[in-house]
Amino acid sequence: DTEVTQTPKHLVMGMTNKKSLKCEQHMGHRAMYWYKQKAKKPPELMFVYSYEKLSINESVPSRFSPECPNSSLLNLHLHALQPEDSALYLCASSQPREAASAGNTIYFGEGSWLTVV
Amino acid sequence: AQKITQTQPGMFVQEKEAVTLDCTYDTSDPSYGLFWYKQPSSGEMIFLIYQGSYDQQNATEGRYSLNFQKARKSANLVISASQLGDSAMYFCAMRPSSARQLTFGSGTQLTVLP
Repeated sequence: DTEVTQTPKHLVMGMTNKKSLKCEQHMGHRAMYWYKQKAKKPPELMFVYSYEKLSINESVPSRFSPECPNSSLLNLHLHALQPEDSALYLCASSQPREAASAGNTIYFGEGSWLTVV
Repeated sequence: AQKITQTQPGMFVQEKEAVTLDCTYDTSDPSYGLFWYKQPSSGEMIFLIYQGSYDQQNATEGRYSLNFQKARKSANLVISASQLGDSAMYFCAMRPSSARQLTFGSGTQLTVLP
């Protein structure tokens, strides 16, 4: 079983709604990630947090707002989304060490399926 | 810049047979890690196996093994004794020591036939 848990599993929201995706990891990792994945495509990086600080924002629109309240929690706040934002959103975590090693494996959660109507 | 190429959009294999999924990569970083992930239709991205650029031996994890040929920049995944539950999308990915994030290939959809 994955040690990265995401809620909710499925979310349907209107374009004027405000909702949040939540992620929790229990592996003691200090780097956490949000990825967006469209059907039949590889995941695309959105945000990286390292030691609870935002370190990478891949030019994501401001209608997506990440938050890292502590080292084990990561949220993605959603507001005024568009239908094209419908996708699978994957949370992931890893150790933040720079050197490539087995200890730097990125572990993913089960994902949150988002539909914007 | 890093690049991962998976040239097989779809593969079929008979149950209990072995299958090889191809992956080639390109990076200028001498230190990097190569990863394979499995993604069933449920969506979860499951880590399968890791190979470091300086590892002398090919990685193995149960029925999964990685055929690492550094000079050819290839890191093919071999699944032995395929099972119906192996049907999924498989992604090859790379993480150079200079980068914090993974670069993914386009994926291979594997279907195991009974």
